[in-house]
Amino acid sequence: EAQVTQNPRYLITVTGKKLTVTCSQNMNHEYMSWYRQDPGLGLRQIYYSMNVEVTDKGDVPEGYKVSRKEKRNFPLILESPSPNQTSLYFCASTPDREGTDTQYFGPGTRLTVL
Amino acid sequence: QQQVKQSPQSLIVQKGGISIINCAYENTAFDYFPWYQQFPGKGPALLIAIRPDVSEKKEGRFTISFNKSAKQFSLHIMDSQPGDSATYFCAASIMGNQFYFGTGTSLTVIP
Repeated sequence: EAQVTQNPRYLITVTGKKLTVTCSQNMNHEYMSWYRQDPGLGLRQIYYSMNVEVTDKGDVPEGYKVSRKEKRNFPLILESPSPNQTSLYFCASTPDREGTDTQYFGPGTRLTVL
Repeated sequence: QQQVKQSPQSLIVQKGGISIINCAYENTAFDYFPWYQQFPGKGPALLIAIRPDVSEKKEGRFTISFNKSAKQFSLHIMDSQPGDSATYFCAASIMGNQFYFGTGTSLTVIP
């Protein structure tokens, strides 16, 4: 089944404890992206990647890191999480290099930082 | 600073009615305008999208109207159904790289 998977789906952590949220797609998509969703703010793009080893900042990249060593994986790393990073996170992928084709979103990861 | 402004925040429509959600932007470099539908507990799903070289795009009951000079675009849902009850997001992008989303509209269609 073609899909975008994220793990974990739910995570409660404490301030400063490094964490990684994994994202994987099995559709051989070029473009991948991370978003956070907060009430009243909609979705905001964190980072995106147009190809392996090519990543760029989105609208709200502060406090996050990403890597794209393989085409199928695009992990989101929080080196030192803070409470303001409590949010619902979505990974998405798109077949073409530019994200103007259908973006397929993962199921979301709900992160709480205490 | 919100790059894409969306209104209304919430909308209640009778079954069979027309739902209209509006978005406005300032950056004239935007060249791709998608709309997403999100059900509770799910990720957003692309509903319909338009590029600025056309003024209208229709797919089934969903229509995007685009006014380039006013820098506005809107989603019309004709014959709204209870199954359309969801949160709708407009978005704008430059060449499909960076995406900017509106703040969302919660649509409730009452039978």
